[in-house]
Amino acid sequence: QVQLQESGPGLVKPSETLSLTCTVSGGTVSSFHWSWIRQPPGKGLEWIAYIYSNGSTNYNPSLKSRVTMSVDMSKNQFSLKMTSVTGVDTAVYFCARVAWLGTSPPSGYIDDWGQGTLVTVSS
Amino acid sequence: SYELRQPPSLSVSPGQTARLTCSGDALAKEYVYWYQQKPGQAPVLIMYKDSERASGTPERFSGSSSGTTVTLTITGVQAEDEADYYCQSGDNSGTYWVFGGGTKMTVL
Repeated sequence: QVQLQESGPGLVKPSETLSLTCTVSGGTVSSFHWSWIRQPPGKGLEWIAYIYSNGSTNYNPSLKSRVTMSVDMSKNQFSLKMTSVTGVDTAVYFCARVAWLGTSPPSGYIDDWGQGTLVTVSS
Repeated sequence: SYELRQPPSLSVSPGQTARLTCSGDALAKEYVYWYQQKPGQAPVLIMYKDSERASGTPERFSGSSSGTTVTLTITGVQAEDEADYYCQSGDNSGTYWVFGGGTKMTVL
């Protein structure tokens, strides 16, 4: 089981870019698939993006224009960037490991979660 | 956009059976995954592929599927099962993921 730890600013100003990093321990980032999920205070979970081990990505269509997910193999990390943030982006952001079933089309789910980090968007 | 529908809340007494539902148009084709989340904690996978228990999930948890509705059943509810439960699946193409709105289960 890998351990995941989110890091990044806890406060971001409106219209700026939110940048988060997830450090992977107990495994190699290039060997697995990864995802970001968020949860506004008191609300439900929202899938943001996932990245395959080969580097290809898929984004939530509602966020796609503002989000980029990438992997840094040299640091054993993966990251999330979200541009032009507003108050509705205030949430706990979770990084997570993805597992895929060998189905067609592929069916995926989260089998390991980070503890989450709260990001508040406010001036 | 694609949605998964869950009842927002459910109250059960200890020892009773709880049935949590997740409905979506694509669920006749797509698998559902269930997560349990307790206050201040990250979610935990408890059920995958509709009815397979994840490692460490007690046997009182079971899953079933019928048409476009998937059900998580907890037989003999315990106080420790009080939590929020979320279902997750993919759209018809399996490309985009979606979570249900969650069911807050209270054990009275």
